[in-house]
Amino acid sequence: EVQLVESGGGLVQPGGSLRLSCAASGFTFSSYWMSWVRQAPGKGLEWVANIKQDGSEKYYVDSVKGRFTSSRDNAKNSLYLQMNSLRAEDTAVYYCARSHYDYGDLWGQGTLVTVSS
Amino acid sequence: DIQLTQSPSFLSASVGDRVTITCRASQGISSYLAWYQQKPGKAPKLLIYAASTLQSGVPSRFSGSGSGTEFTLTISSLQPEDFATYYCQQLTSYPYTFGQGTKLEIK
Repeated sequence: EVQLVESGGGLVQPGGSLRLSCAASGFTFSSYWMSWVRQAPGKGLEWVANIKQDGSEKYYVDSVKGRFTSSRDNAKNSLYLQMNSLRAEDTAVYYCARSHYDYGDLWGQGTLVTVSS
Repeated sequence: DIQLTQSPSFLSASVGDRVTITCRASQGISSYLAWYQQKPGKAPKLLIYAASTLQSGVPSRFSGSGSGTEFTLTISSLQPEDFATYYCQQLTSYPYTFGQGTKLEIK
């Protein structure tokens, strides 16, 4: 089955770190750019980052630059988002998405990150 | 950053109605625009890409048009399963911003 499954979300204190994972199956993961998109509770969608097939290019929204790092392991069909120096405003459901010509044509179910003391 | 403004933000309609949602970009984005549908508690679903290309498996009652700074998503005859929130997204320059969303509710 073609799918993406996120994991790693949870409750973390402000200033803390968390690593999200996204496991891909059913397609050739190494052939696609991948993206992270988040959605704060009751709010709209926000594009966070994307990463090229070989990991050589990465782009981030300004609000996470220097704090978040996207990476991938094509041998493990996995995408990661390392989140450091977390803030309350980072609280959201985080989705990974496969990018078909940049368009998110396959999404995971999301993982909730809550930043609170 | 490129700003996308959707109108209306809320829309009340009935089954069978034809509805149109507009997305305006703060600067020209050619045709690098996507439309997504999101239902409560679910991930977004790609409906339209490149402004007017229907994603595989999406019913033909959905259509998109526009280029430059003004785009529309049209649902020709609303079905019960279409009541959801719709987002546009530009993919011409980073960051790949989304519109604020249009919530389509049953009248």
